[in-house]
Amino acid sequence: ETGVTQTPRHLVMGMTNKKSLKCEQHLGHNAMYWYKQSAKKPLELMFVYSLEERVENNSVPSRFSPECPNSSHLFLHLHTLQPEDSALYLCASSQSLLGLAGAHGEQFFGPGTRLTVL
Amino acid sequence: GENVEQHPSTLSVQEGDSAVIKCTYSDSASNYFPWYKQELGKGPQLIIDIRSNVGEKKDQRIAVTLNKTAKHFSLHITETQPEDSAVYFCAASFSGTYKYIFGTGTRLKVLA
Repeated sequence: ETGVTQTPRHLVMGMTNKKSLKCEQHLGHNAMYWYKQSAKKPLELMFVYSLEERVENNSVPSRFSPECPNSSHLFLHLHTLQPEDSALYLCASSQSLLGLAGAHGEQFFGPGTRLTVL
Repeated sequence: GENVEQHPSTLSVQEGDSAVIKCTYSDSASNYFPWYKQELGKGPQLIIDIRSNVGEKKDQRIAVTLNKTAKHFSLHITETQPEDSAVYFCAASFSGTYKYIFGTGTRLKVLA
């Protein structure tokens, strides 16, 4: 496997379920990101990890809980979600933290997990 | 606040014609502007980027122009092909943060 992979690709869950999204990057990158993509809205940055430490939490509801056990893996744990949380959840990685000391570079995105909350 | 506006939301062109997508940004300190292409069932992929010290950048059929004074930048695709059909996103760096602020996307359809 190369690049950024995400599993599952599709997920349907009820509001009382607990599920987890998984992301894995095979690029040797040090930073990983979770984004939410909803129709006709800009990508929303949810969480940022650099060297396995969370550096950004954009006021995301506590029903979303990220976990980064190592620099290659990123999880998004979901519980008691709402129907409005239905969206495409994208994981991305970059060589180093974007914007750090003025550095910019490419983010590599995974294919996303299409989440539907019933 | 941070904001990137992108127009148009949909764009249909005949194969071989040019396509132009425009974005404006609000943070005058933004200094990096990437463009992403998202095909159906895939994540966004970087296609070209430009830094604030450059006014134009070209890569084969794709070019990006930046007007810092007016705070807008544009993507130009020439000699469009059916495989150019996708959703295109512009983004701008947000100074002092790890954020790239994204536009709402343009769905480009190239008609054969």
